[in-house]
Amino acid sequence: DTAVSQTPKYLVTQMGNDKSIKCEQNLGHDTMYWYKQDSKKFLKIMFSYNNKELIINETVPNRFSPKSPDKAHLNLHINSLELGDSAVYFCASSHGSGASNSPLHFGNGTRLTVT
Amino acid sequence: GQQLNQSPQSMFIQEGEDVSMNCTSSSIFNTWLWYKQDPGEGPVLLIALYKAGELTSNGRLTAQFGITRKDSFLNISASIPSDVGIYFCAGYPTPSSNTGKLIFGQGTTLQVKP
Repeated sequence: DTAVSQTPKYLVTQMGNDKSIKCEQNLGHDTMYWYKQDSKKFLKIMFSYNNKELIINETVPNRFSPKSPDKAHLNLHINSLELGDSAVYFCASSHGSGASNSPLHFGNGTRLTVT
Repeated sequence: GQQLNQSPQSMFIQEGEDVSMNCTSSSIFNTWLWYKQDPGEGPVLLIALYKAGELTSNGRLTAQFGITRKDSFLNISASIPSDVGIYFCAGYPTPSSNTGKLIFGQGTTLQVKP
C-alpha cells in the first residue's frame, strides 16, 4: 500500500555501466519528479513530468534520461555511470499540475553507489 | 537562483526540551512546507503553509508562514527520542511559482538525548 514506491532500494555498480531506477505512484497524482540527495543531504530537483510531459529539466547531464510511460510511472535511466553519480535518488509525486504548489510525496529513495 | 537558508544546521538537545528552527530567503515564497526525513527513508510532509502569517499545528509541531513571505519557522515542543531526524523546509517561490520547482533548505539534523 506504499504511495510512492521505487526500486531498487540499493544499487551498486561500476563506472561506465548503464542502470535504471523505477518509480510508481498509486495516489492518482498528475505530476512526478526525480530529486537527487547528495552526501550533505541537500535535495535538488532533476526532472518533473506532468501527465507524461516533461516540465522541468534542471541542468542534468544527458546521461540521465527520464521516461514516463504513463502518469503513474516515472523511470530514470542513467548511461555511462560516473563516480559523481553516487547519491540517493528520490522519486516524488504531487497533485495537479506543476504550478499547483502542492506538497510532494516522496518514495523511500534509491541509494546508488558507483565504484 | 532562489535559495533557502535553514538554521541551525544541527541540534543536540535533551528529551523534553523545546526546539526551534527557521528558514529564510531573499525571495518571496507563496508556499512553505516542512518535512522530516528518517534514516533510510524519504522526506515526509509535516506541515504545509499557504498564507502569510498562517500559524499551523500538527501535534507537538507548530509552524508559521512569515508576514514578509520570506521566512518560516518550525517549533517542536517537549521533544521525544523519535523526533530524531533531519528536518527540511521547502518552498515554492514567487513569481516563478508556475514552474512547480520546490526548493529545499539545507536541513536541520536533530538529535535527542533520552
